[in-house]
Amino acid sequence: AQRVTQPEKLLSVFKGAPVELKCNYSYSGSPELFWYVQYSRQRLQLLLRHISRESIKGFTADLNKGETSFHLKKPFAQEEDSAMYYCALMFSGGYNKLIFGAGTRLAVHP
Amino acid sequence: EPEVTQTPSHQVTQMGQEVILRCVPISNHLYFYWYRQILGQKVEFLVSFYNNEISEKSEIFDDQFSVERPDGSNFTLKIRSTKLEDSAMYFCASRTGGGNSPLHFGNGTRLTVT
Repeated sequence: AQRVTQPEKLLSVFKGAPVELKCNYSYSGSPELFWYVQYSRQRLQLLLRHISRESIKGFTADLNKGETSFHLKKPFAQEEDSAMYYCALMFSGGYNKLIFGAGTRLAVHP
Repeated sequence: EPEVTQTPSHQVTQMGQEVILRCVPISNHLYFYWYRQILGQKVEFLVSFYNNEISEKSEIFDDQFSVERPDGSNFTLKIRSTKLEDSAMYFCASRTGGGNSPLHFGNGTRLTVT
């Protein structure tokens, strides 16, 4: 069955520390993976998609098909990075729904 | 940048009442979705809609739920007889038709059933 796992509910770091938010997926087809971010009381916003291989706000994520992972990383966390982060898997073809992981709350302390 | 808009931001209703949650997707988008998030739980897929019909629905989307695109701009979710367990944030999303284009989400409607 298709599944997205984010093992950490909360990740708490100090400003300037490196951050890695873990995401593992289970999908037999060719995965399309995304990271969405939700700042307090705001909408889910697209942060990254694996196919574009870009860096947004200093965040990067690499798809590792061998480990079925798509971890989100940032070398130096900022206080404004504090938010909920959701990893999401899109099914190839069809009507392309997303399924989400449970989310990780990142708290960056001064 | 165009956004998906949802109204109202918060809806309080009594158990057994009907509610309609409204969404205006981004104008050139072709695929529309509803998701919900019960407090403390993950964001769950409810339904997808394309070409004026439901393309996929989850087990959650039972007979008490319905969706409609009554005109060229609105996309609504109706819950016919609300239950306490329907209390959640409901998110509307839309995307263009191109490949695996990402979903764009609205701010959500918080539904509270008392």
